[in-house]
Amino acid sequence: ETGVTQSPTHLIKTRGQQVTLRCSSQSGHNTVSWYQQALGQGPQFIFQYYREEENGRGNFPPRFSGLQFPNYSSELNVNALELDDSALYLCASNVAGPQETQYFGPGTRLLVL
Amino acid sequence: AQSVTQLDSQVPVFEEAPVELRCNYSSSVSVYLFWYVQYPNQGLQLLLKYLSGSTLVESINGFEAEFNKSQTSFHLRKPSVHISDTAEYFCAVSDTGFQKLVFGTGTRLLVSP
Repeated sequence: ETGVTQSPTHLIKTRGQQVTLRCSSQSGHNTVSWYQQALGQGPQFIFQYYREEENGRGNFPPRFSGLQFPNYSSELNVNALELDDSALYLCASNVAGPQETQYFGPGTRLLVL
Repeated sequence: AQSVTQLDSQVPVFEEAPVELRCNYSSSVSVYLFWYVQYPNQGLQLLLKYLSGSTLVESINGFEAEFNKSQTSFHLRKPSVHISDTAEYFCAVSDTGFQKLVFGTGTRLLVSP
C-alpha cells in the first residue's frame, strides 16, 4: 500500500475524444510524476509537477497536459486520443528532493478504440 | 540520452533455485540505478536503488544488485527464489535523482514449483 490512488481503474474511449485521469497522492507529497506504460513495455516518463508547475517533460506531444492541485491531487489530460494512447497510466508522488523515493499508484488502464 | 536494456523478456526458474535478471544501461553522466517490481494489476514498487558508495545493494526480501561501472551493468540476483517472487521486474536509470526515470522493457520472472 503506497498511499497513492488513481481513478478510474479502467476506461474505454474512442479515437479523437478527450480523457482525464486522476491521481491522489500522500499528504505532503508536493511532487507528482506521470508515466505511460504500453503493453509489454516499461513505463515512459510523461511529465512531472512540483507545487502546481510543470517541472520536466518527456517526449510526449502537447496534447498530453496536466494539473496539480494544492490538496495533493493531480490530473492527466489527453486530447485528440489516438489508438497508440492505449496504455496503463501510472502516477507517482514524492516529497520534493532528488533523493526522495517516489511511490506509484496502481494505474489507470486506458483503451482507445 | 540514457537508455536501459533488459535482454531477457522472460526468465523461468524453479522454486529455491538462484536467479539473475540482467540490466545494462547507457549514460554519459553519473547515474542513479533502480530495480522496481510490478505484481499483476498493481503499480510499481521500489525493490532497491543505487546512488553511490558500496556497489552491492540489497533489498529486505533477499534480492541484491551490483553496480558495475566498467560493464555499465546493474544485474539483479537472488540466491533462492519463492513462488511469490513471480512478477515483472524493471530496471531504471536517472541522472537527476529518484524521479524522471528511464525504464527498461522489463523481465517477467516465472517461478514454478
